[in-house]
Amino acid sequence: GQQLNQSPQSMFIQEGEDVSMNCTSSSIFNTWLWYKQDPGEGPVLLIALYKAGELTSNGRLTAQFGITRKDSFLNISASIPSDVGIYFCAGQGSGGSNYKLTFGKGTLLTVNP
Amino acid sequence: GAVVSQHPSRVICKSGTSVKIECRSLDFQATTMFWYRQFPKQSLMLMATSNEGSKATYEQGVEKDKFLINHASLTLSTLTVTSAHPEDSSFYICSATQPNTGGYGYTFGSGTRLTVV
Repeated sequence: GQQLNQSPQSMFIQEGEDVSMNCTSSSIFNTWLWYKQDPGEGPVLLIALYKAGELTSNGRLTAQFGITRKDSFLNISASIPSDVGIYFCAGQGSGGSNYKLTFGKGTLLTVNP
Repeated sequence: GAVVSQHPSRVICKSGTSVKIECRSLDFQATTMFWYRQFPKQSLMLMATSNEGSKATYEQGVEKDKFLINHASLTLSTLTVTSAHPEDSSFYICSATQPNTGGYGYTFGSGTRLTVV
């Protein structure tokens, strides 16, 4: 089946620093999604990407859909303590909005004040 | 925005008993709901896809007789863990989708922490 490789697995940064994480896939996805999960909660959508090459921002977050459709990255600028959490990428194949998602293994972000 | 309510948030049960987890879409009709399981420090693993009015589609390796899924209405899906064992202890999360909304259409519940003792 489809697999997503997400890196890094964890990051320890100082408040104010920028962060970058990425996902690569062995196969093509039609949609890339980035989620944040706080402890004991479900994932919350941060950014959705629909077109190869698309670059989208949401406040301090920026994500891009790779040209090959097999990769995506998420950048967080000027990190703050509340950015702490686990970030997941997810890819959606063909089949419309009801098609299942494949998740990366997550990046645990720790921000030191 | 779209809200998915999952209940209970935490449950402790004895080994051998069954536990039911509910997933409700509060302000939209969800034609499809997904059930995930997440072990500590791991990713979300899809267990099954549930379409209203039809049988759920289970992922490879997931026992359909152990994890019973019912999607009786467009706003409610339930997951029943039957004859639970300690190895079933995990964080269970549901997701509901709205038609024609692309990636923004996936809304997750807040999860259920199941502990089997």
